[in-house]
Amino acid sequence: DIQMTQSPSSVSASVGDRVTITCRASQDLSNWLAWYQQKPGKAPKLLIYATSTLQSGVPSRFSGSGSGTDFSLTISSLQPEDFATYYCQQAKGFPWTFGQGTKVEI
Amino acid sequence: EVQLVESGGGLVPPGGSLRLSCAASGLTFSNYWMSWVRQAPGKGLAWVANIRQDGSEKYYVDSVKGRFTISRDNAKNSLYLQMNSLRADDTAVYYCAKLMVGKIDSWGQGTLVTVSS
Repeated sequence: DIQMTQSPSSVSASVGDRVTITCRASQDLSNWLAWYQQKPGKAPKLLIYATSTLQSGVPSRFSGSGSGTDFSLTISSLQPEDFATYYCQQAKGFPWTFGQGTKVEI
Repeated sequence: EVQLVESGGGLVPPGGSLRLSCAASGLTFSNYWMSWVRQAPGKGLAWVANIRQDGSEKYYVDSVKGRFTISRDNAKNSLYLQMNSLRADDTAVYYCAKLMVGKIDSWGQGTLVTVSS
């Protein structure tokens, strides 16, 4: 199985900050990498797929980059509604696997 | 708008069985791969199983192979997860999810399964 490692596991930030979360895969994913946001008690929400394609309706302050084994999610200017946990997920092959999550806290 | 509504969760003793259901609406259900993803309390997301549009291909995470069975009824727009020989580490919120190429673009609200005596 492909292992996904996210860092950091948590980050403290303020409104307006630029935040970057990284995700490393144990194998080459090409660009088969997605990012999700999850708020407490809620289902995850798709933010980005194919490494850098923004899902419809997602604000442009979210962006993704990378290729191969190293990827990142950047929030350019953190908003109050962005405080949540973020997960990367590889879609190169079954079983799809997730990173352990990064909690973005105030 | 796509809606996925899970049901069937609850409290079950170790070794017991449970069948989860997911009712889909707002989509042509038979066109999509579907999946179950779970989340243990306070933990991250973990994929459980996938099923092809016509049910001809199924994939499972190793920890549930031989115990869980994913199935679907396209005429009823429904996805199922039959869970047998349940263990304490199966305790989680179980999400029904719609797959597209390289992504999960729709999630249900989840149903909680608690395995405890």
